[in-house]
Amino acid sequence: GDSVTQMEGPVTLSEEAFLTINCTYTATGYPSLFWYVQYPGEGLQLLLKATKADDKGSNKGFEATYRKETTSFHLEKGSVQVSDSAVYFCALISRSGGGADGLTFGKGTHLIIQP
Amino acid sequence: GAVVSQHPSRVICKSGTSVKIECRSLDFQATTMFWYRQFPKQSLMLMATSNEGSKATYEQGVEKDKFLINHASLTLSTLTVTSAHPEDSSFYICSARENMGGYFHFGNGTRLTVT
Repeated sequence: GDSVTQMEGPVTLSEEAFLTINCTYTATGYPSLFWYVQYPGEGLQLLLKATKADDKGSNKGFEATYRKETTSFHLEKGSVQVSDSAVYFCALISRSGGGADGLTFGKGTHLIIQP
Repeated sequence: GAVVSQHPSRVICKSGTSVKIECRSLDFQATTMFWYRQFPKQSLMLMATSNEGSKATYEQGVEKDKFLINHASLTLSTLTVTSAHPEDSSFYICSARENMGGYFHFGNGTRLTVT
């Protein structure tokens, strides 16, 4: 079935460092791809998305480009802040057992930004 | 933006009792809602897909008699953990998919502790 693989964490960076969190996927067809962010004790918030090859999703300084040839959707940010500390999930839309399109998540990457 | 209200945020119950968790879409209609379970430092595992007015579809390995799901309206789905045991302690998150636009929105989760 469909799956998402993302780099294991925790990832610890200093403030203003460059961030890359790798994400690759396996899916039939052409899934839509997402990055979600989870702050401590909260649910998930959509960070950005891309629905077709070569699309670039961007939000709050984060970017990710849908690369069909490498089946990847790596998350990047040029200069991270302490407030970016959270868990980041890469996800794709697949068909769940319910017959409705559901999200398949990667395991999440815990990002820690130090002042 | 679209909001999903999940209640309660935390609950502690004794082994053998039942707990009901509510998931409401506050300003949009959702024919389809999803229930996830998240273990510490792990990804979200889809438990079941609920469709308004019909029976929920459970993922493999999820006991439907233990995790009762009701989706009686376009804005409310409930998950009842019946005869809870300590191994049911976890973080449960619901997601509602907008009928218009198809976006997924997440509740803030429910931390269940069974003593």
